[in-house]
Amino acid sequence: KQEVTQIPAALSVPEGENLVLNCSFTDSAIYNLQWFRQDPGKGLTSLLLIQSSQREQTSGRLNASLDKSSGRSTLYIAASQPGDSATYLCAPAEGYNTDKLIFGTGTRLQVFP
Amino acid sequence: EADIYQTPRYLVIGTGKKITLECSQTMGHDKMYWYQQDPGMELHLIHYSYGVNSTEKGDLSSESTVSRIRTEHFPLTLESARPSHTSQYLCASSEWGGRETQYFGPGTRLLVL
Repeated sequence: KQEVTQIPAALSVPEGENLVLNCSFTDSAIYNLQWFRQDPGKGLTSLLLIQSSQREQTSGRLNASLDKSSGRSTLYIAASQPGDSATYLCAPAEGYNTDKLIFGTGTRLQVFP
Repeated sequence: EADIYQTPRYLVIGTGKKITLECSQTMGHDKMYWYQQDPGMELHLIHYSYGVNSTEKGDLSSESTVSRIRTEHFPLTLESARPSHTSQYLCASSEWGGRETQYFGPGTRLLVL
């Protein structure tokens, strides 16, 4: 059974810092992995999707890497801003069934001015 | 910006009442999903659908039921609400093939007294 762990659980940093959020998963037989952000009281916003054949994806100040064999993914946030404050969730797609995302409990990020 | 809607956003209701949580999407996606999220906990898939007249149970056992009579609509029903059903319910959709990113609605926060 796939288990997802995200470290750290919470992070508070001053504006401008470069950040690394870590995600580890126990079953490396995944089809893809998505990173989401969740704002309080709101749904999830998809940030990046990495296919199992890819090693990284970039979108603006965000860069996600995937090392499937070791069961790890990282989300790199460059030049953090207060608007980046949210909970970041990692979700590998279970096995090769892309319908079943397995979520971690997330990293709660606060960026202060 | 994904066009997926959930109503109501918040619901406080007494034990034993029947409730229906609405989810609609205007993107023409065939796949739709319901997730349950308790405060501070992971999202868990409770139902999904591949298209009209298709419904499947997710990994987390739920007393709720779903229906898919129209492509754009995927309501979730609890026949008799209990305090243990108190949670946040998130609806999502995705298309076949391609990147299969899941797009989420804003969620419904349910409190059963």
